[in-house]
Parts: sequence; C-alpha cells; structure tokens
Amino acid sequence: AQSVTQPDIHITVSEGASLELRCNYSYGATPYLFWYVQSPGQGLQLLLKYFSGDTLVQGIKGFEAEFKRSQSSFNLRKPSVHWSDAAEYFCAVGRGGGGADGLTFGKGTHLIIQP
Amino acid sequence: NAGVTQTPKFQVLKTGQSMTLQCAQDMNHEYMSWYRQDPGMGLRLIHYSVGAGITDQGEVPNGYNVSRSTTEDFPLRLLSAAPSQTSVYFCASSRQGASTNEKLFFGSGTQLSVL
Repeated sequence: AQSVTQPDIHITVSEGASLELRCNYSYGATPYLFWYVQSPGQGLQLLLKYFSGDTLVQGIKGFEAEFKRSQSSFNLRKPSVHWSDAAEYFCAVGRGGGGADGLTFGKGTHLIIQP
Repeated sequence: NAGVTQTPKFQVLKTGQSMTLQCAQDMNHEYMSWYRQDPGMGLRLIHYSVGAGITDQGEVPNGYNVSRSTTEDFPLRLLSAAPSQTSVYFCASSRQGASTNEKLFFGSGTQLSVL
C-alpha cells in the first residue's frame, strides 16, 4: 500500500525567505503526486500535481515542486514566502494509479510565517 | 459558482444518534468522495462514488453509509454515532477519479462532535 511521509510537523519561516517542505512517498509504480494547501477553517486547494514528464512542476501562488524518483521525494518550494502563505500543507499520492479510489495524504506540515 | 457545498458546518451529536452530512456539487462532476480529517492524521478516505448509483469503500468506511442517487448529491450517513467519529469531514469532487489528471474540489468541511 502506498504511503506519504511529511517529516516536518511545523516549519517557521521569515517573510521573504525561501521555503522547502519535504514529502517522501512509497508507491510501487509511477506515482501521481499532489500538493494541497488548507487555510484555517477552509477546505483544501490544489497547488500543483505531477503525473509524468518534466520533473519540475509549477503551481499556483508561486509554488513549485520537484519529483525525484531516486529519492522517492516530491518537495515543495517557494523562493520568497508571504504572510498569506501561512497554512497547512498536505502532500498526497494517488491510491489507484489512475483509478478512482482517492488519495493517500501525509499528515501535513503547518507553516508559520514570522514578520 | 457554488462549487462543493457541505451542510451543516457544525454538529454535535450524542453517542448512538444518527445523522446525515450533506454534500452537493453544481459542476456536473462524476466523482465524489468523503474524507475525514483528524489532528495529526491528515485526511483519510471514507467512501467514494464514480457516478450515480455507484459507490465504493475507501480507507476507513466502518460506521458510515453512502448512496448516490443523483450526480449532484453524495450524502454521508452515520447510523449510530460514536465518539471515535468526532472529526472534520470533507466532501470532494472531480470530473473523474481523484488520482487521474483532474483537480479535486473540496467543500469547506463539517465539524462533528460526538459526546
């Protein structure tokens, strides 16, 4: 069965600094990988996704992620964070490898932005 | 655009009571799903549906029932609520299955407490 590990429960970054959130996955085949963001009291919003092709994926709000098969990683990056980026970030892998049976999520990383 | 609408936003139940969490989408999405979110656990798939009349179990289906009589609606039923079902519940939809090349749209959640 697939799994997702987000090693950092909390990360604190100063506004304007760069950001990297870590994600490691376990999956037997080529994974479908996603990053979602959840603002307080809200549902989740898709930031970006990887299915195949270019291993550097661009998303919304200035985020990008790099798929590294050799490291089983899909880390999320942003060159300069804004106070509005404070939120919970979830990495996820597709359960069905193209099927319909949903996503397996990591436990999330809580991002705190210092002024 | 309403997107995915969940009602109620908050609910308190006593152990043994039954209730239905409502989910409706106005995007003509074939795929709908229910997740629960618990502190430090990320999101876990409860049930999903790939179209009207078709449902299947996710990762944590015990204690929950679903049906899909229309494309728009996908209610989640708790037949006999237990304290272990205290959680935040999210409904999500997409044009196709969640692990295909389709964006998953989330509702804003229902916070359920079972006393």
